[in-house]
Amino acid sequence: QKEVEQDPGPLSVPEGAIVSLNCTYSNSAFQYFMWYRQYSRKGPELLMYTYSSGNKEDGRFTAQVDKSSKYISLFIRDSQPSDSATYLCAMSATAGNKLTFGGGTRVLVKP
Amino acid sequence: DAGVIQSPRHEVTEMGQEVTLRCKPISGHDYLFWYRQTMMRGLELLIYFNNNVPIDDSGMPEDRFSAKMPNASFSTLKIQPSEPRDSAVYFCASSRDRSLSPLHFGNGTRLTVT
Repeated sequence: QKEVEQDPGPLSVPEGAIVSLNCTYSNSAFQYFMWYRQYSRKGPELLMYTYSSGNKEDGRFTAQVDKSSKYISLFIRDSQPSDSATYLCAMSATAGNKLTFGGGTRVLVKP
Repeated sequence: DAGVIQSPRHEVTEMGQEVTLRCKPISGHDYLFWYRQTMMRGLELLIYFNNNVPIDDSGMPEDRFSAKMPNASFSTLKIQPSEPRDSAVYFCASSRDRSLSPLHFGNGTRLTVT
């Protein structure tokens, strides 16, 4: 079993819908949680990061962490076709950058 | 800021040949990471450097893989001899320090070993 599990999708939604993404993990030592976005044939880029449990909002993006359930989520409001990409969760036990990534969820936002 | 620069973008080689992937990190970044991405295994950390010194190479699959960072602006990942199962996209990333500064990824090298 992988340390971080993520549904590969694809997740197809109409423009303007809310996109809901999540990851589960098994390592209770993880404290730092991130979401990266990866466009086709590009490297991942950081979208959001959170520490421990709680919510964080940045524009149309909201990240949630539930450490008791070992479950993290990313919500994208008012989705746009430009949000079509693969979204990778990543997490770390320490503040260092040795990250463990999920496999990524491919998202398609249809106009 | 030109970002992390990787070369070549694509590499096709035959089994048994030596492959060298190159990376130029963002100027001023102290950490450099090499990742490999495949459909089956996702994004895996191979090795990372701090101030040009290898810190953790536990992700390097086997002795056929080696990485160097001779100076702050250049790193190489070498596979010798290459095998078809090494086919993947190899990413280099850099970051400023050990805190939660984001990893800045290059656009990767797509390696195909036939």
